[in-house]
Amino acid sequence: AQSVTQLDSQVPVFEEAPVELRCNYSSSVSVYLFWYVQYPNQGLQLLLKYLSGSTLVKGINGFEAEFNKSQTSFHLRKPSVHISDTAEYFCAVSDQGAQKLVFGQGTRLTINP
Amino acid sequence: EPEVTQTPSHQVTQMGQEVILRCVPISNHLYFYWYRQILGQKVEFLVSFYNNEISEKSEIFDDQFSVERPDGSNFTLKIRSTKLEDSAMYFCASSPGVTGELFFGEGSRLTVL
Repeated sequence: AQSVTQLDSQVPVFEEAPVELRCNYSSSVSVYLFWYVQYPNQGLQLLLKYLSGSTLVKGINGFEAEFNKSQTSFHLRKPSVHISDTAEYFCAVSDQGAQKLVFGQGTRLTINP
Repeated sequence: EPEVTQTPSHQVTQMGQEVILRCVPISNHLYFYWYRQILGQKVEFLVSFYNNEISEKSEIFDDQFSVERPDGSNFTLKIRSTKLEDSAMYFCASSPGVTGELFFGEGSRLTVL
């Protein structure tokens, strides 16, 4: 069965500092990987996705993530964060060709001025 | 930009009552989903729906739950007899295909007293 582990429940960083949000997954088959963001009082919005091809994927708002198959990781990074990046970030996985997404427990990113 | 809309945004109900949560998916999407997030926990898959029938459901989706696409635009989740533990945020999502790129609504918060 698939599972997703987000290693940090909360990550506080200062504005303009770099950030990495960690995500590890387990699956017995090939997967698609996603990061979703949830701003306060809003729904889940897709940040970026890995389906195939280049292991470094770029998303919206300056975020990027790298798929590492050997380490079964898909960490999210941003070189310089802004106050507006304050949100909850969810890593998710699905088997290729499957519909169901399995989510991690989320990481709350807090940006301090 | 097309979006998934959900109503109501918040519903309070008494234990044992029936609740219907409504969703309008993006118009050209073919796959529809319900997820839920109990406060402080992961976003959990409930059910997926394609071609007017359930394509997959989780163990959470027991006989008290049902889904329906009564017309060409709405997608509903019915909870027949609510329990305290059904209190959660319920997210509707839709996707154009099976690549896992889901588009989420803003959620319906259900509080069961």
